Order: sequence, then C-alpha cells, then structure tokens
Amino acid sequence: GAVVSQHPSWVICKSGTSVKIECRSLDFQATTMFWYRQFPKQSLMLMATSNEGSKATYEQGVEKDKFLINHASLTLSTLTVTSAHPEDSSFYICSAFPGTSGSSVEFFGPGTRLTVL
Amino acid sequence: QKEVEQDPGPLSVPEGAIVSLNCTYSNSAFQYFMWYRQYSRKGPELLMYTYSSGNKEDGRFTAQVDKSSKYISLFIRDSQPSDSATYLCAMSSGSARQLTFGSGTQLTVLP
Repeated sequence: GAVVSQHPSWVICKSGTSVKIECRSLDFQATTMFWYRQFPKQSLMLMATSNEGSKATYEQGVEKDKFLINHASLTLSTLTVTSAHPEDSSFYICSAFPGTSGSSVEFFGPGTRLTVL
Repeated sequence: QKEVEQDPGPLSVPEGAIVSLNCTYSNSAFQYFMWYRQYSRKGPELLMYTYSSGNKEDGRFTAQVDKSSKYISLFIRDSQPSDSATYLCAMSSGSARQLTFGSGTQLTVLP
C-alpha cells in the first residue's frame, strides 16, 4: 500500500526557534501533498497544498511567512515553522496524493507533535 | 451550513455490537467517498473508499453511499475494543483535488 512517513514524530523546541518537519512518500510519487494541523479532539484543518516544483497554496488565515513549505521533489515536502511560539504547539499531519490515481484518495503520514516551550 | 456534517459523538458501544457511523453532505458534485480511522496521536488511516453510489464490504466494515440522499454510512460488525478510534468521513468531486472532511466521530467499544 501507499506509505507516507513523517520526521520527526515529535519535537520540543524553545520559543523563537524554527522547526522543520519532513513528509515523504515512500513507495509512490506524489505530485501533491497537503499539510494539516490538528488540535486535541478536533478535526483536521488544512493549512496548505504543496505542489512539486511550484509555490504552495495556503488556506485563508494561515501565515505563509510563518509556515514555509517546500516541495522539492516528487517524494518530499517540508514544513518549516519559523519563530515558533507556544500557540504553534499542535499535531501536524501531512498527506500525499498519488498523482497517477484517479481516486482522489489521500494517504496520511503518522503526524508530528510539536511542543513549543 | 458545513459542506459535510458528521455527528461528533462520543459513541460508546459494547463489544460485539454493530456500529453505524454517518455523514451527510450538501455538494452534489462529490463522487469519491472515503472513511478514515484515526487513533489517538496518530495520522488518519484509510479504511474504505467508494466511488459514486453503492455498497462496499471489506471484512467487518461496510461502506454505503446514497447520492440521491447525500448520505454515506460506515457499518462495523462485531465491533472490537481495537476499533475504538475517531472515524472521519471524507469526500471530493475529483476535479478539485482537495478532500472535504467531516468533523469525526469518536467511537469507544467497551470490552
């Protein structure tokens, strides 16, 4: 099956530092990847759509200068939380869409738990 | 009104019960319908995928889509404590890449 990995699985950082989260599609090429944020007991909130070789598309209310997304290859997208603050603490999940599939199915990574002290 | 409505629960059932999870939607363009299962502190895992109307069965899980009523269901037979998780419905039109998710239903199966 389609496998998506994320690294790191959890990270603790000090306020003001930057954190990079990697999302990789392990056994397929992903022309499109998505980044979500999830607070406890809440549903997924789409942050941005990442397309290989082009700029990411951010959802309304998501600061593109704070959440930098780079989709450098068909198997890797990165999310960098710049100048992190405690309110950025959350569960970040990526998903990948196999571009050759007509199914619209997204495959999710295991998530990264970010805690900003 | 949200595009996709899902009862958030929580829903508690005894082991062995039949569980019915449902979503309604308003966008008639939706053609692809999915159910994801999410355990606490984990990413969502694809359970079932259905295109257009009809039923699909996979082991103890059955997905139903009724496009005329804009209503989808997931049935879990012989529920197990390991089924305790949050279940998310998701759907898309196909032309727009982005999935639209329900808010998720938290299910607890009691041993």
